[in-house]
Amino acid sequence: EPEVTQTPSHQVTQMGQEVILRCVPISNHLYFYWYRQILGQKVEFLVSFYNNEISEKSEIFDDQFSVERPDGSNFTLKIRSTKLEDSAMYFCASSENGNEQFFGPGTRLTVL
Amino acid sequence: AQSVSQHNHHVILSEAASLELGCNYSYGGTVNLFWYVQYPGQHLQLLLKYFSGDPLVKGIKGFEAEFIKSKFSFNLRKPSVQWSDTAEYFCAVIRFSGGYNKLIFGAGTRLAVHP
Repeated sequence: EPEVTQTPSHQVTQMGQEVILRCVPISNHLYFYWYRQILGQKVEFLVSFYNNEISEKSEIFDDQFSVERPDGSNFTLKIRSTKLEDSAMYFCASSENGNEQFFGPGTRLTVL
Repeated sequence: AQSVSQHNHHVILSEAASLELGCNYSYGGTVNLFWYVQYPGQHLQLLLKYFSGDPLVKGIKGFEAEFIKSKFSFNLRKPSVQWSDTAEYFCAVIRFSGGYNKLIFGAGTRLAVHP
């Protein structure tokens, strides 16, 4: 069964450093999403992406964040200058039709 | 504000007990409703979904949920839980607007099933 994959599973970085979180969505899916879950809190929407552009973003998704689909298979989330409060589990999801979304295993980002 | 509420943050049950986890949402209009499960150390998996039709939906692993439009509720049920159901359960809503819809999650309910 096809699934969403994410790398790395755990990323540790120093505050102020740039990180890139990678996702490979399910191959025939057209809609892509990033969510995050700060420890002990609910899963929060960050951004959705369709047709090579951002379709919606939350207020969390400020200028420090960007997304890209560089090669038709990967979907990346970049945080330019990480802050302590960016420490969270980041989930990628993809969808064929914009409704049912399939989630990856997540990347645990730890900012020191 | 638009939101999804899960009534119980922690539930502890013995095996074979019945389970009901509450979920309410605050949106009007058409919604798509989901329950996701996150087993320890694993990623979010879809348990079941409601888009339209029969308001009683059946999912994997013996779970079911009932959509009650008048109560804005989508409660999850299982008649007899097992130790392997120990996990965190998330209710989520898509407010239907066509296209690229974001999921709005509840805070989650952590279920512990004791043998």
